[in-house]
Amino acid sequence: DQQVKQNSPSLSVQEGRISILNCDYTNSMFDYFLWYKKYPAEGPTFLISISSIKDKNEDGRFTVFLNKSAKHLSLHIVPSQPGDSAVYFCAAGIEYGNKLVFGAGTILRVKS
Amino acid sequence: GAGVSQTPSNKVTEKGKYVELRCDPISGHTALYWYRQSLGQGPEFLIYFQGTGAADDSGLPNDRFFAVRPEGSVSTLKIQRTERGDSAVYLCASSIRTSGGALSTDTQYFGPGTRLTVL
Repeated sequence: DQQVKQNSPSLSVQEGRISILNCDYTNSMFDYFLWYKKYPAEGPTFLISISSIKDKNEDGRFTVFLNKSAKHLSLHIVPSQPGDSAVYFCAAGIEYGNKLVFGAGTILRVKS
Repeated sequence: GAGVSQTPSNKVTEKGKYVELRCDPISGHTALYWYRQSLGQGPEFLIYFQGTGAADDSGLPNDRFFAVRPEGSVSTLKIQRTERGDSAVYLCASSIRTSGGALSTDTQYFGPGTRLTVL
């Protein structure tokens, strides 16, 4: 039972353009959401998060949007850079719970 | 070191053998997590320690898996009678989260993982 789904296994974007990575969740109890970035042979690195009381959070080139009614969140990267090429994981949790539930990841390739 | 370290980086073992995977968290981090990442999947929660105690071990798949953190710092994940299906990357993460703390204050810092291959 996949509670967090990233339906696009990969995405290819031209440098300078926008990258949009999508994530859907099924558990309505989730109230905290995160994006992690992972390079080969390294552990995931925290990128940005959003609480369910918000619908948008921005940090530099990265913006996360949350649509609670659709149980959908997305990560926008503008402008995309070759160094952004990595695997991006969406994760969700319950604020006072103990665990994060991760999606399967989306491989982003930014072409120069 | 500055980050979370895990040893060994790679472990190859035979079916039925016992293995131990070690995690050194960031100094001062009270919370420690173990995850397992199978090929093509995201990290899957195994266990969460708060200090020396396992606050949540609901992700451990069966009783062949056990983890300890005797002094509230280094943790060891132990797998008995390994099976081919145990092959995965085992990730450790730590954070400053205190007991009862919210996830939104709990940035988890991951180590590079141990790649376990069971032949």
